[in-house]
Amino acid sequence: AQKVTQAQTEISVVEKEDVTLDCVYETRDTTYYLFWYKQPPSGELVFLIRRNSFDEQNEISGRYSWNFQKSTSSFNFTITASQVVDSAVYFCALNTFADYKLSFGAGTTVTVRA
Amino acid sequence: DTAVSQTPKYLVTQMGNDKSIKCEQNLGHDTMYWYKQDSKKFLKIMFSYNNKELIINETVPNRFSPKSPDKAHLNLHINSLELGDSAVYFCASSQEGMKETQYFGPGTRLLVL
Repeated sequence: AQKVTQAQTEISVVEKEDVTLDCVYETRDTTYYLFWYKQPPSGELVFLIRRNSFDEQNEISGRYSWNFQKSTSSFNFTITASQVVDSAVYFCALNTFADYKLSFGAGTTVTVRA
Repeated sequence: DTAVSQTPKYLVTQMGNDKSIKCEQNLGHDTMYWYKQDSKKFLKIMFSYNNKELIINETVPNRFSPKSPDKAHLNLHINSLELGDSAVYFCASSQEGMKETQYFGPGTRLLVL
């Protein structure tokens, strides 16, 4: 069975601080995909990134960056120079060939204070 | 040009009633899903349809019945609503395949009184 753990329930930072969200996953599959989604206070779920299990390259998109490490089964997400608009719940998710469904972590609530 | 849309956005109803939530996607995707998000924000898949065929049916009470009239629509009908059904229900769609990104609708907030 697949499992995604986001151990940080809530993180509060002051604007311009960096914040890193941890995501640890469990799967026996060698082929899988990892995702991050953002859920702002308005409630919609916004796709941020997808990464496959064979691509361990880190990725940067503006102030967002992702660090994928298969050795520790982690797919961490960093927001650099946080802004108030980054305040949201962030979900890490896993999809595998065997399970064929998206399993979400419990989410991390990020609050950025001005 | 909304990609995945759901109606209604809010639904307040009495226990025991029957209600439906509609979902439509204009992305040309083959697969559609229903998720439930509880009060603790936990997201769990309920159903998945691929080209109108049910492919995932999680442990969901049979009071919940999905219906897919065509591959662009996936509706959720709920019979005999209970207090515990109060949640946010999200529809999503993707191309076929576990590697494909799922795109979510805005959610329907259901409150059962």
